Amino acid sequence: ILNVEQSPQSLHVQEGDSTNFTCSFPSSNFYALHWYRWETAKSPEALFVMTLNGDEKKKGRISATLNTKEGYSYLYIKGSQPEDSATYLCALMNNNAGNMLTFGGGTRLMVKP
Amino acid sequence: DTGVSQDPRHKITKRGQNVTFRCDPISEHNRLYWYRQTLGQGPEFLTYFQNEAQLEKSRLLSDRFSAERPKGSFSTLEIQRTEQGDSAMYLCASSSQGKVQFFGPGTRLTVL
Repeated sequence: ILNVEQSPQSLHVQEGDSTNFTCSFPSSNFYALHWYRWETAKSPEALFVMTLNGDEKKKGRISATLNTKEGYSYLYIKGSQPEDSATYLCALMNNNAGNMLTFGGGTRLMVKP
Repeated sequence: DTGVSQDPRHKITKRGQNVTFRCDPISEHNRLYWYRQTLGQGPEFLTYFQNEAQLEKSRLLSDRFSAERPKGSFSTLEIQRTEQGDSAMYLCASSSQGKVQFFGPGTRLTVL
């Protein structure tokens, strides 16, 4: 059973603050890590797929890094806006035939105007 | 909108009743997944299909749960004799083999 953990569980920041969250996972047999953003009453939205150690990916004000040797990924949001309020999920994709996702518990971000 | 739809969005039922949910994936995706999310947890894998074949089921999927994907298009997830512990968000996702999974908005089930 894969153990994917995210911290913190929740975070309240002011508009304009920059913030980051952590996703940690077993470093052995790594295949791919996915980040999703899930706003209330909407579908989880894929942000990044990360596969290589040292990967850095960016989408607007959001970026992510990956360290497969030590088993962690960071998600950064620069200059948080109220519309960034959501739950951010990381998920490990396994390398077996089904490529199922094992999710962490999520980080719930609330950005106050 | 990810292109994956689920119906209904909310379902309230009494313990012991049967419920059925539907998922319509992105049409060209050959894989379809079901996940379940309970309060405070991340989504957990239940089962997946490649085309019409159900290839893997989690130990979370008790014998009261059954899923189908006739003709490899939409899928249904049925829960028989619902229990209060079945209350959760049921998420469906679709993908091409090995690629990003696109999720629907989920069906929130409440069992009274």
